[in-house]
Amino acid sequence: GDSVTQMEGPVTLSEEAFLTINCTYTATGYPSLFWYVQYPGEGLQLLLKATKADDKGSNKGFEATYRKETTSFHLEKGSVQVSDSAVYFCALRGAGNQFYFGTGTSLTVIP
Amino acid sequence: GAVVSQHPSWVICKSGTSVKIECRSLDFQATTMFWYRQFPKQSLMLMATSNEGSKATYEQGVEKDKFLINHASLTLSTLTVTSAHPEDSSFYICSAKASGGTQNGELFFGEGSRLTVL
Repeated sequence: GDSVTQMEGPVTLSEEAFLTINCTYTATGYPSLFWYVQYPGEGLQLLLKATKADDKGSNKGFEATYRKETTSFHLEKGSVQVSDSAVYFCALRGAGNQFYFGTGTSLTVIP
Repeated sequence: GAVVSQHPSWVICKSGTSVKIECRSLDFQATTMFWYRQFPKQSLMLMATSNEGSKATYEQGVEKDKFLINHASLTLSTLTVTSAHPEDSSFYICSAKASGGTQNGELFFGEGSRLTVL
């Protein structure tokens, strides 16, 4: 079945450091891929998405490229800020329109 | 983006009682809503898919008689945890899939409901 495997955390970075959170997926067909963010005490919010191979999703300085050949959708940001501290979830929407989430990666950015 | 309101945001109840959680899409219609359960430091586990006007589809291992789902309108789905026990304590999150409009098919999440069963 469809599934998402996400890099385990927690991740702690200094401000302005480079961030990569790995995400790989298994799916039948051609899923859409998403990154969601959950700030402390809040619900999930869509961060970015990509709906087909080679698409790049971007938002708030974060980027992720849909790589069909490696079945990956790694999240990157060139310079993280303290306000980026949150839990990040990789997800896919499969053929049945159901969403499958990774286990989440907690990011803490220290000044 | 669109707003999904979940209520209550937290609830404490005694073992054996039932608790109802509401999920409302405030500014869009949602023919499909999803209910998830999130354990501490773990991912969201899909419990069931709720379709307006029809019975919910439950994931394997989720007791449909314990977690009653009703989706009576295009903007409201409810999850009732019946005869709650301490092991039902968790964070429950709903999401609504927008139907029509520019955000058609997009998924929006409620802020979650923390249930504690004593």
